[in-house]
Amino acid sequence: AQSVTQLDSHVSVSEGTPVLLRCNYSSSYSPSLFWYVQHPNKGLQLLLKYTSAATLVKGINGFEAEFKKSETSFHLTKPSAHMSDAAEYFCVVSSGGGADGLTFGKGTHLIIQP
Amino acid sequence: ETGVTQTPRHLVMGMTNKKSLKCEQHLGHNAMYWYKQSAKKPLELMFVYSLEERVENNSVPSRFSPECPNSSHLFLHLHTLQPEDSALYLCASSQDLGGKLEAFFGQGTRLTVV
Repeated sequence: AQSVTQLDSHVSVSEGTPVLLRCNYSSSYSPSLFWYVQHPNKGLQLLLKYTSAATLVKGINGFEAEFKKSETSFHLTKPSAHMSDAAEYFCVVSSGGGADGLTFGKGTHLIIQP
Repeated sequence: ETGVTQTPRHLVMGMTNKKSLKCEQHLGHNAMYWYKQSAKKPLELMFVYSLEERVENNSVPSRFSPECPNSSHLFLHLHTLQPEDSALYLCASSQDLGGKLEAFFGQGTRLTVV
């Protein structure tokens, strides 16, 4: 069984300040982890993924995430927020195994204050 | 543009209507998925197809009927829906099942049942 918990439903930061979106996961196997972003009325776009290679993963638009097995965390960060980063962010876990598909967190709504 | 195209983008239908959602991918992927995204709820996996065969059906009501005529196309046939079925329906594809590979999402169909 697998699950993912996004610890904040909403995060508000000022433009130009750092972003931290928190994610904890639970998995019986060695997981793959993903962050997706969804802008209003759009589909989901992959930001980055971890698949058992380097624990610090760099993604698009300046985002990165660090896989910490001891803490079962995969937090998403960005050094300096931009207005265009305002969106919904989803942490996703997959343990493989066939038709399990992906397990999504409930999402974190990122608000960027001017 | 992710390579996964969904039509229509918006659909309003009455409870007695029959309509179909269409998804098309030109990525050469073998697995395709339907997800339901409702307000304030995590994404729900509805159906999984691998090599045109259904491999998972997550207790979805029979008023939703999927069809996968070939590896590039996926349909979701709708009939006698209820207002609570109003949601964003997302199609996704991945190279194969197994979860180590990311899924690519379409932009979704916003369905409103009146």
